[in-house]
Amino acid sequence: ETGVTQSPTHLIKTRGQQVTLRCSSQSGHNTVSWYQQALGQGPQFIFQYYREEENGRGNFPPRFSGLQFPYYSSELNVNALELDDSALYLCASSLDRAWNRSDTQYFGPGTRLTVL
Amino acid sequence: DAKTTQPTSMDCAEGRAANLPCNHSTISGNEYVYWYRQIHSQGPQYIIHGLKNNETNEMASLIITEDRKSSTLILPHATLRDTAVYYCIVRGTSRAAGNKLTFGGGTRVLVKP
Repeated sequence: ETGVTQSPTHLIKTRGQQVTLRCSSQSGHNTVSWYQQALGQGPQFIFQYYREEENGRGNFPPRFSGLQFPYYSSELNVNALELDDSALYLCASSLDRAWNRSDTQYFGPGTRLTVL
Repeated sequence: DAKTTQPTSMDCAEGRAANLPCNHSTISGNEYVYWYRQIHSQGPQYIIHGLKNNETNEMASLIITEDRKSSTLILPHATLRDTAVYYCIVRGTSRAAGNKLTFGGGTRVLVKP
């Protein structure tokens, strides 16, 4: 158990719709990162939030956006869903945004999104 | 982030040690080596990480060569529950790299009875 939870577990949407995925970080962790994992591939970094501000972004379009709230909750929003957005979405929390020392990320169980 | 190279798959016998190799020949001096594993359809699970010295915890041991160009994750007594995809990740420590993890394809480990 990592103390990181995500909801919902599974979700089915249709192309063009919008979706919000939620994450509850481990207590005391100020940083949350989101990853997308397509079937058969490793997770790909979407973006990271530190104390409610975006702190780095991977190669994902602006229709992927996020929010981080006080007390360790955050969400990932995806607008104008496409078929290729079908994937496992993972959030990971870590203590800090430290880029110059080790700071372990702990992952949640993920949300499986299917876009039809 | 430095690129890592791992075998696509490997089998090991239950109760025996499993040695998972990883090459990271372009690693720079202050980059950490992290290992995660992912059991089918679950979130990645942190195993261990290291910088220069060998590390051991309750799950595994990490052996890093002196030149830091390769490492080996050792599961001392593999069980059926260790069947998973194992990812070796070199985490950059530049401000540009931030704190992201760059996953490759990993090694699919099958523990057999």
